[in-house]
Amino acid sequence: TQLLEQSPQFLSIQEGENLTVYCNSSSVFSSLQWYRQEPGEGPVLLVTVVTGGEVKKLKRLTFQFGDARKDSSLHITAAQPGDTGLYLCAGLVSGYSTLTFGKGTMLLVSP
Amino acid sequence: GAVVSQHPSRVICKSGTSVKIECRSLDFQATTMFWYRQFPKQSLMLMATSNEGSKATYEQGVEKDKFLINHASLTLSTLTVTSAHPEDSSFYICSAEGPGDRVTDTQYFGPGTRLTVL
Repeated sequence: TQLLEQSPQFLSIQEGENLTVYCNSSSVFSSLQWYRQEPGEGPVLLVTVVTGGEVKKLKRLTFQFGDARKDSSLHITAAQPGDTGLYLCAGLVSGYSTLTFGKGTMLLVSP
Repeated sequence: GAVVSQHPSRVICKSGTSVKIECRSLDFQATTMFWYRQFPKQSLMLMATSNEGSKATYEQGVEKDKFLINHASLTLSTLTVTSAHPEDSSFYICSAEGPGDRVTDTQYFGPGTRLTVL
């Protein structure tokens, strides 16, 4: 059973465009992390959110945690080619002892 | 802080041989480490949870006799792929639960090991 639904799975955009990636579940998260992974490398942590309604910003990236802690979104403003990569959400779902990963969103930003 | 290293980064071996992959937390102690497997263009699949000083906990469908895990110290966990076969070729990634992160369960990942079995 896939506990974390991540969408879209693939996104190809032009430099300067905005985009949003979604991570949804019917379960409540104790915490949720967003990672970015480049080919041949391990995931790099972008942010951890723990409080319902929390909004965190990291330069052009805005992360939001839903009020009910069942969903999260990642919004990128004015995307750049350097933003290209696989974006993964991962959360600790109540009742489970290990992190659950979404399927990932492959983002390609063309110049 | 919270840096995790893996060695080797790439390994090519013949079918039937065993391969050991090391995962180290460089600047913190990690009671718990995790081993993942990732196929091309797919997400991470948890293989096992490695606990210092005790046996690893394997996910359903992962053969514990084939993927041996040893967490000998608070900074080192090893994954040994025994009698490797071409279908074991994959990208193996370890992670460690960060210091003071019991509440958030944030994991910090190593750079991964690309295993190719000929």
